[in-house]
Amino acid sequence: DAKTTQPNSMESNEEEPVHLPCNHSTISGTDYIHWYRQLPSQGPEYVIHGLTSNVNNRMASLAIAEDRKSSTLILHRATLRDAAVYYCILRATTGNQFYFGTGTSLTVIP
Amino acid sequence: NAGVTQTPKFQVLKTGQSMTLQCAQDMNHEYMSWYRQDPGMGLRLIHYSVGAGITDQGEVPNGYNVSRSTTEDFPLRLLSAAPSQTSVYFCASSRARRETQYFGPGTRLLVL
Repeated sequence: DAKTTQPNSMESNEEEPVHLPCNHSTISGTDYIHWYRQLPSQGPEYVIHGLTSNVNNRMASLAIAEDRKSSTLILHRATLRDAAVYYCILRATTGNQFYFGTGTSLTVIP
Repeated sequence: NAGVTQTPKFQVLKTGQSMTLQCAQDMNHEYMSWYRQDPGMGLRLIHYSVGAGITDQGEVPNGYNVSRSTTEDFPLRLLSAAPSQTSVYFCASSRARRETQYFGPGTRLLVL
């Protein structure tokens, strides 16, 4: 699976939008972009995924660049419960592994 | 549904001891996997299974064994624990290998 690059940490004020970037310049045409997050002392949980088009669900939105070499996870109104490490992962249609990387640690300031 | 469950939550071992970390899921998922997470790092895949009776190695398989006799259970065995295996271990399952993974709460292992 191709690798991703994310900032180590970001901060956001509570109730403001948060844009978490991810670069994946070596993405192939069939790689899905997945986002997971890990709350303190918990296992990772699924957030959202997409292939080419922007995606929305109850947790977040995923904006994918036209060339697919980068994507952005958007939390529309950050809450204290959104403080977590966010992982951007490329998932190939072949192969069996998720490569998690080190993710972005999001701090939400009250 | 209970989802993915792991036992024990915490374990202390002495070097050379053996133990089995248990993982079970009640979602009838075919794909199950084990990860370890060291402090300040992301998750690394140890072993995975695409169905009962089928297992394969991940990124860091040395020192660990797995088996998959049923769809529900996927135990991870440490044959001779080493301090380098001190970590948090997560089990995950998904309906198929490329689909959303559901993670258990983790087992914290300390090897002295």
